[in-house]
Amino acid sequence: GENVEQHPSTLSVQEGDSAVIKCTYSDSASNYFPWYKQELGKRPQLIIDIRSNVGEKKDQRIAVTLNKTAKHFSLHITETQPEDSAVYFCAASIGNNFNKFYFGSGTKLNVKP
Amino acid sequence: NAGVTQTPKFQVLKTGQSMTLQCAQDMNHNSMYWYRQDPGMGLRLIYYSASEGTTDKGEVPNGYNVSRLNKREFSLRLESAAPSQTSVYFCASQPPGGSNQPQHFGDGTRLSIL
Repeated sequence: GENVEQHPSTLSVQEGDSAVIKCTYSDSASNYFPWYKQELGKRPQLIIDIRSNVGEKKDQRIAVTLNKTAKHFSLHITETQPEDSAVYFCAASIGNNFNKFYFGSGTKLNVKP
Repeated sequence: NAGVTQTPKFQVLKTGQSMTLQCAQDMNHNSMYWYRQDPGMGLRLIYYSASEGTTDKGEVPNGYNVSRLNKREFSLRLESAAPSQTSVYFCASQPPGGSNQPQHFGDGTRLSIL
């Protein structure tokens, strides 16, 4: 099955700096890559996603890039704020009529004011 | 529109007890999923139901059973709870209309097995 690796496991940045989280996947059939943010004690919530026919997607301070050849994708957060502090999960999924999702192990982001 | 609702939110069991975790969605989604979340390990898929009437094993199905009661409800059962099943359990659903749609998660059930 698919194997998703996520790095780093923890990331500490100063407010206003950028943060980058990277994920690799093993199955070239994976075609959809969502990113989730999970605050302490809360549910994972989608923040951005990218499909395999697109190389980059941006939504305000958040962007995701996908390199299908190298089988890796990354989350970029610019101008970080303390409220960005959370655990971030990447996922890779395979599917035609529905998706089977495989998650990375998570990155705990700490934005220091 | 409540989204994905899980009950209970918290539960403490003794080893060997049985329990059913309930999940319901009111978004007319076809696919539903059960995950467990352990520290440092992300979300691991236990079972999923691609559509009403079908269920399949995920990465870590041992010790669990599921029932897709109807399109709305997907329950997870622990027949004989073990301390290794102490975890946070999340139910999720996915919209219809093909693949490549994001999942919607419930608030989770925090389960402790003593």
